[in-house]
Amino acid sequence: EAGVAQSPRYKIIEKRQSVAFWCNPISGHATLYWYQQILGQGPKLLIQFQNNGVVDDSQLPKDRFSAERLKGVDSTLKIQPAKLEDSAVYLCASSLVRTGKETQYFGPGTRLLVL
Amino acid sequence: TQLLEQSPQFLSIQEGENLTVYCNSSSVFSSLQWYRQEPGEGPVLLVTVVTGGEVKKLKRLTFQFGDARKDSSLHITAAQPGDTGLYLCAGEGTTDSWGKFQFGAGTQVVVTP
Repeated sequence: EAGVAQSPRYKIIEKRQSVAFWCNPISGHATLYWYQQILGQGPKLLIQFQNNGVVDDSQLPKDRFSAERLKGVDSTLKIQPAKLEDSAVYLCASSLVRTGKETQYFGPGTRLLVL
Repeated sequence: TQLLEQSPQFLSIQEGENLTVYCNSSSVFSSLQWYRQEPGEGPVLLVTVVTGGEVKKLKRLTFQFGDARKDSSLHITAAQPGDTGLYLCAGEGTTDSWGKFQFGAGTQVVVTP
């Protein structure tokens, strides 16, 4: 079974530029998560999708961050414009359903450096 | 603000020693998961505990979920250099928050030969 795929693996941009990350979850997984992991911290949930609907985006900085999940499969996370404090690893995870006690499977992450 | 507090933040031990990592919260969780994350990779699930008081063993790793489902511990016996990594705990919300996970800040474990 293929795991969660993310691209690109690394990205370096200057502040005020835009950037987009892509995630392909495990086939058949209805729930998809985007996390931000700043160096020295644990992952922080940005947005959670159930199929192609948003379940939780309370911690997404909506003035600059946006995310979508087309047709309930792949997802993209965009930052526009980027700030220095956005430098972090952006992790995508998926799980089969949202019924409690589910296992999240993580992708390798995209490392973003904003200069 | 992290709802889950992990301690210690950093642990450096010699190969063959034992270690324990703690994960504490004032919140009740429907389940709690432990992950290990290596540099350049995403977290990898080690175990999920769901029942208060539950103890799970995975080779040299022993996981315990507190009776009240608010805290957990991870004990490694006879640590090996391959155990080096960032250990993260994540609590899953109850009922209305099923499928929503809160992570601790992690414990960085370094095992030297």
